[in-house]
Amino acid sequence: DAGVTQSPTHLIKTRGQQVTLRCSPKSGHDTVSWYQQALGQGPQFIFQYYEEEERQRGNFPDRFSGHQFPNYSSELNVNALLLGDSAHYLCASSLARWEGPGLETQYFGPGTRLLVL
Amino acid sequence: GENVEQHPSTLSVQEGDSAVIKCTYSDSASNYFPWYKQELGKRPQLIIDIRSNVGEKKDQRIAVTLNKTAKHFSLHITETQPEDSAVYFCAASWDSSYKLIFGSGTRLLVRP
Repeated sequence: DAGVTQSPTHLIKTRGQQVTLRCSPKSGHDTVSWYQQALGQGPQFIFQYYEEEERQRGNFPDRFSGHQFPNYSSELNVNALLLGDSAHYLCASSLARWEGPGLETQYFGPGTRLLVL
Repeated sequence: GENVEQHPSTLSVQEGDSAVIKCTYSDSASNYFPWYKQELGKRPQLIIDIRSNVGEKKDQRIAVTLNKTAKHFSLHITETQPEDSAVYFCAASWDSSYKLIFGSGTRLLVRP
């Protein structure tokens, strides 16, 4: 049973560049959430994708966008990179529950460490 | 607004002692409370979770208690071992939201 996987593991970019991060959910899961974790802090929700649509978004600018594919994998794109975008980007997968939001167990991938110079 | 506060920020215990980490949440509509353990440079790993219709849940040396009236929940680790050393995050979600709101983390050090 494959867990959540992410690629690449590390990435170095310069200001103004664009980056794409990838995530494959745990086997049997259909929902992907993305989080940003700054050093020494808890993860912060960026957005969640379900049925290839952005279902909910956190307080992140439009420079952050995403996509979900028919096989449930997902991408996170960040345009016009800023120094402050340097962080650990985590993907979490879950299985949508018929009871509605707020009850899904989320499993995290190993993350991508992004450094913006 | 949605907020989760976590205390203490650091906790040092002797091997074999118990450790308790506490979190409070702001919204009474919160209904799901997971705890994650994160070792340095690794992914957050779910160790236990509880839903709002349950007051306590236990899994071997780990237990979580929920007090809905006071809007707080706690992680209890008994018979601590050096491998329990890590950063622990509490989180909460609301019945109208898909996102998890995380606490600021507790760095637990278990001294051999």
